[in-house]
Amino acid sequence: AQKITQTQPGMFVQEKEAVTLDCTYDTSDQSYGLFWYKQPSSGEMIFLIYQGSYDEQNATEGRYSLNFQKARKSANLVISASQLGDSAMYFCAMSLYGGSQGNLIFGKGTKLSVKP
Amino acid sequence: DGGITQSPKYLFRKEGQNVTLSCEQNLNHDAMYWYRQDPGQGLRLIYYSQIVNDFQKGDIAEGYSVSREKKESFPLTVTSAQKNPTAFYLCASSIGSGGRNTEAFFGQGTRLTVV
Repeated sequence: AQKITQTQPGMFVQEKEAVTLDCTYDTSDQSYGLFWYKQPSSGEMIFLIYQGSYDEQNATEGRYSLNFQKARKSANLVISASQLGDSAMYFCAMSLYGGSQGNLIFGKGTKLSVKP
Repeated sequence: DGGITQSPKYLFRKEGQNVTLSCEQNLNHDAMYWYRQDPGQGLRLIYYSQIVNDFQKGDIAEGYSVSREKKESFPLTVTSAQKNPTAFYLCASSIGSGGRNTEAFFGQGTRLTVV
C-alpha cells in the first residue's frame, strides 16, 4: 500500500534562514508523482511544487525546492530565506501514474513556525 | 476567475440529520475529490470521481454519499450514519488522474460541527 510519512509534527525556523521539511514515501510502483502543499490557518490548500519519479533534476519553484532521493524514497521540501508568511502546515502527497485511483495520498503534515 | 467554490463555509448539524456540502468548479477538470481533515490526521479521501456519472469510494466512505450529475458539481452528503462527522471538509479537482495531472486545486473548505 502507498504511504506518506512526515516525521516532524512541528518545526521552528528563524526568519531569512532555510528550512528542510522531511517526507518519505512507500510505493512499489515505478511511476509516481510527489507534491507539496501549504495550508495556512485559513484552511485552503496551496500547491507548491511537483516532482515526477522519472525527473532527473530536482524540482524548483522560486524559494521552494524538492530534494528528491529516489533510492531512499525521500522527497524533502527546502524553503530558502524563510518569511513570516511561510508559517503554516505543510503536507507531502503522492499519486501514481496511470493508476485506477489517481487521487493524492497525504502525509499528516508538519507545522512550520517562522520566528522574527 | 477559475476556481473551486465550496459552500457553506461553516455548517452546523443536529444529530440524526443529513446535510449536503456543495462543491462547484469552473476549471473544466474531469476529476473531483472530497477529503476530510481532522486535527493531526492530515487529509483522508472520502470519495472521488474521474468522470461524470461515475465515482469511487475512498478510504473513509462509510456514512457519506456523493453524486456527479454534472462535470462542474460534486456534492457530498453527510448522512446520519456517519458516527463522528465533525471535521473540516475539503473539495478538490484535477485535470485527470496520475502524476502531474493529479495536481489538485482545492476549495476553501467547509467546517462541519455537530451540535
